[in-house]
Amino acid sequence: NAGVMQNPRHLVRRRGQEARLRCSPMKGHSHVYWYRQLPEEGLKFMVYLQKENIIDESGMPKERFSAEFPKEGPSILRIQQVVRGDSAAYFCASNRDRGNEKLFFGSGTQLSVL
Amino acid sequence: AQTVTQSQPEMSVQEAETVTLSCTYDTSENNYYLFWYKQPPSRQMILVIRQEAYKQQNATENRFSVNFQKAAKSFSLKISDSQLGDTAMYFCAFIKNRDDKIIFGKGTRLHILP
Repeated sequence: NAGVMQNPRHLVRRRGQEARLRCSPMKGHSHVYWYRQLPEEGLKFMVYLQKENIIDESGMPKERFSAEFPKEGPSILRIQQVVRGDSAAYFCASNRDRGNEKLFFGSGTQLSVL
Repeated sequence: AQTVTQSQPEMSVQEAETVTLSCTYDTSENNYYLFWYKQPPSRQMILVIRQEAYKQQNATENRFSVNFQKAAKSFSLKISDSQLGDTAMYFCAFIKNRDDKIIFGKGTRLHILP
């Protein structure tokens, strides 16, 4: 049973470009969470999705950031018009049921904005 | 608002020694969950140990154990017989209930020296 898969592992973008980060949850998991880790910081919650629904996006910046988890395919975190401050590691976690007490994390995508 | 504080940014110990990582938190909740996550250089977030606040017994997982002091709001991690593979960032984390987002501390970078 493969773990949570995130790709790409590293993503380099120039300012103003778009970044798309993909997350395939563990098999049988329908709950996906995105967290962001700034340098020398802990992870911070961004958004919680179930299949086709955004449940909690209280940690998402109001502009330029969006997330989806379609019925088929991976969850996508999309950042439009990236800026240097978006440089961070973005982690996805999944769970079979609703609940954060036992999340399975991916290895993250390191986004670098030049 | 809940906060998690790790007062030791970095620590080094010799292989086979015992090391204790500190964590304090602030909450007005009576029931909650506490975690220690390990982040090795691969960046994978690995759950090391979990403690439910209503359980008085300290959680243990092989060489890893916690000292949970609920009144003092302290949750330290003890690693016995440390191994080179224990070298990683360690994050203390908190959720007030299963539906809540995880709040992470800033981490302690642990070096195990040969």
